[in-house]
Amino acid sequence: DTGVSQNPRHKITKRGQNVTFRCDPISEHNRLYWYRQTLGQGPEFLTYFQNEAQLEKSRLLSDRFSAERPKGSFSTLEIQRTEQGDSAMYLCASSPKRLAGGQETQYFGPGTRLLVL
Amino acid sequence: GIQVEQSPPDLILQEGANSTLRCNFSDSVNNLQWFHQNPWGQLINLFYIPSGTKQNGRLSATTVATERYSLLYISSSQTTDSGVYFCAVDSETSGSRLTFGEGTQLTVNP
Repeated sequence: DTGVSQNPRHKITKRGQNVTFRCDPISEHNRLYWYRQTLGQGPEFLTYFQNEAQLEKSRLLSDRFSAERPKGSFSTLEIQRTEQGDSAMYLCASSPKRLAGGQETQYFGPGTRLLVL
Repeated sequence: GIQVEQSPPDLILQEGANSTLRCNFSDSVNNLQWFHQNPWGQLINLFYIPSGTKQNGRLSATTVATERYSLLYISSSQTTDSGVYFCAVDSETSGSRLTFGEGTQLTVNP
């Protein structure tokens, strides 16, 4: 399977605990994105990396959230001191370097569904 | 930031019917993608279509960039077409982030 993979697929945790999710992008895609989707809504952008550099962060990404992509390959998203409002689907996407003319197709992984009790 | 509106929010069809989903956006776009989200949450790429027309089997899409809208056509619908259809765009002002609409929930009944 050469698509974007995410682990775990499901996570149930208690409020106040820390959780970490992993995303493995499509091989050789240098851009990696994190989005969050709550029930009945479209996904919302959280942050993105080009290689190992984190280039943009949304205001949604509070100081309890941190993302890394240490070697420009896989990425992790950590949520500290989880709150019930963090319950959502966390989606990862990757894309190749933007081509001349701006073409850039993002490919999404299956997501990690988080439930905070 | 750029605004994306999709219509209708909900659509119920009988198997075999045709449908048109619409996506309006508020600014010039570099990227426009249509996705189908299946019941397990997976976003499946349907089209990359910032302008022009594309077809893939029973699905086709048209984007009129100058008028800031895109249409997704589904012909001879099947029960497996059920799910949520999202339009997502990025613009020069939003950078590479995709901004999604709220989706169209499609239900195809046998």
